[in-house]
Amino acid sequence: EVQLVQSGAEVKKPGESLTISCTISGYTFTGYWIGWVRQVPGKGLEWLGFIYPLDSNTRYSPSFQGRVTLSVDKSINSAFLHWSRLKASDTAMYFCARLPGVAGALHYWGQGTLVNVSS
Amino acid sequence: QFVLTQPPSVSGAPGQRVTISCTGSSSNIGAGYDVHWYQHAPGTPPKLLIYGNNHRPSGVPDRFSGSKSGTSASLAITGLQAEDEADYYCQSYDRNLSGSIFGGGTKLTAL
Repeated sequence: EVQLVQSGAEVKKPGESLTISCTISGYTFTGYWIGWVRQVPGKGLEWLGFIYPLDSNTRYSPSFQGRVTLSVDKSINSAFLHWSRLKASDTAMYFCARLPGVAGALHYWGQGTLVNVSS
Repeated sequence: QFVLTQPPSVSGAPGQRVTISCTGSSSNIGAGYDVHWYQHAPGTPPKLLIYGNNHRPSGVPDRFSGSKSGTSASLAITGLQAEDEADYYCQSYDRNLSGSIFGGGTKLTAL
């Protein structure tokens, strides 16, 4: 069974750093892209970017380039989303998902990680 | 300001047919990239309804169907049920952005 399990909710202050994780099971980690999507409360879905675990080929949405960093650790079948300096506007639910290619559909999703950035 | 344009809301009576449009451009849908559709309740992961323009994943009722023509795509829901109330999003790839994009989302209300 394909599963993507994300790390738990986080409460942070503006300016702090944060890394959230997405650990997969039930398929070959290096065979599919991992995408990251967020939903700000009351708003729609937004792409942050995606990464191919085999070679760490990464594509960022122009809106998030330079704001977040995607990475993977193949030894533990995990993908990561990192912020070096959080802003209050980063408060959102973040989802990881599996896709077969950069133009593919997101068939499997993590349960979501709620990030709350507040002073 | 979304690259893929959806109506903010649609509604229908139980049992009726509703459609949700997704209008793109020559750099995404019109360039031949597939359109995918999701059903989403806030706080939960989106659920894939349609992939590759008109294919249903296992377990998705055949009340849901997708189509694509030119620079637009549509999701149709027949036999509308109260449980269909949710937000619906289209997704495609844009070659100018070199990345995937979502539509702005459509809130479906069952009257």
